Amino acid sequence: NAGVTQTPKFRVLKTGQSMTLLCAQDMNHEYMYWYRQDPGMGLRLIHYSVGEGTTAKGEVPDGYNVSRLKKQNFLLGLESAAPSQTSVYFCASSAGGLAGQETQYFGPGTRLLVL
Amino acid sequence: RKEVEQDPGPFNVPEGATVAFNCTYSNSASQSFFWYRQDCRKEPKLLMSVYSSGNEDGRFTAQLNRASQYISLLIRDSKLSDSATYLCVAPNDRGSYIPTFGRGTSLIVHP
Repeated sequence: NAGVTQTPKFRVLKTGQSMTLLCAQDMNHEYMYWYRQDPGMGLRLIHYSVGEGTTAKGEVPDGYNVSRLKKQNFLLGLESAAPSQTSVYFCASSAGGLAGQETQYFGPGTRLLVL
Repeated sequence: RKEVEQDPGPFNVPEGATVAFNCTYSNSASQSFFWYRQDCRKEPKLLMSVYSSGNEDGRFTAQLNRASQYISLLIRDSKLSDSATYLCVAPNDRGSYIPTFGRGTSLIVHP
């Protein structure tokens, strides 16, 4: 099992460009999450999904959109990248049950630099 | 008050020392707590869950203090390989019980 995978691993964008980060999990998990991690800020939740076809906003959703068309995939989109979105992005998944009460499994992260 | 707070450290300890970290949370209804370990430039990985009765796994012990709303992590006989950032997790207090991470506590174990 690969667990949680993320593509790409690293990307450089210019301000205003768009891109999509892909997260895939092979554990049949219901819940998936997108976080960003900045120095001194810890992990902050961007968006999350409690099942296929559903998404919800997290703590810092502005400037991002997500889609969960298939249970195993969770996509994070940046429509018009800004330097403030330079960060490390982590995807995570967890099994069914009440959100917040399950172990999360993280992908290796995507390092994004917006110039 | 932040929902989940941790002392960022760093905690500098010699090999073999015992070290403890605390993490305070604001949601008094929280039921589930976790400690994750994150190595430099890597993803967080679960270290241990925190149960009401406490939890011990080898050199690591996690405790929950509901009255004072904090969880703790005790590491005995520290190893060089324990050097990492330790993140605590508690459900948020905004009604959705989505896990909220603390900013992490940095531990450096030196020879």
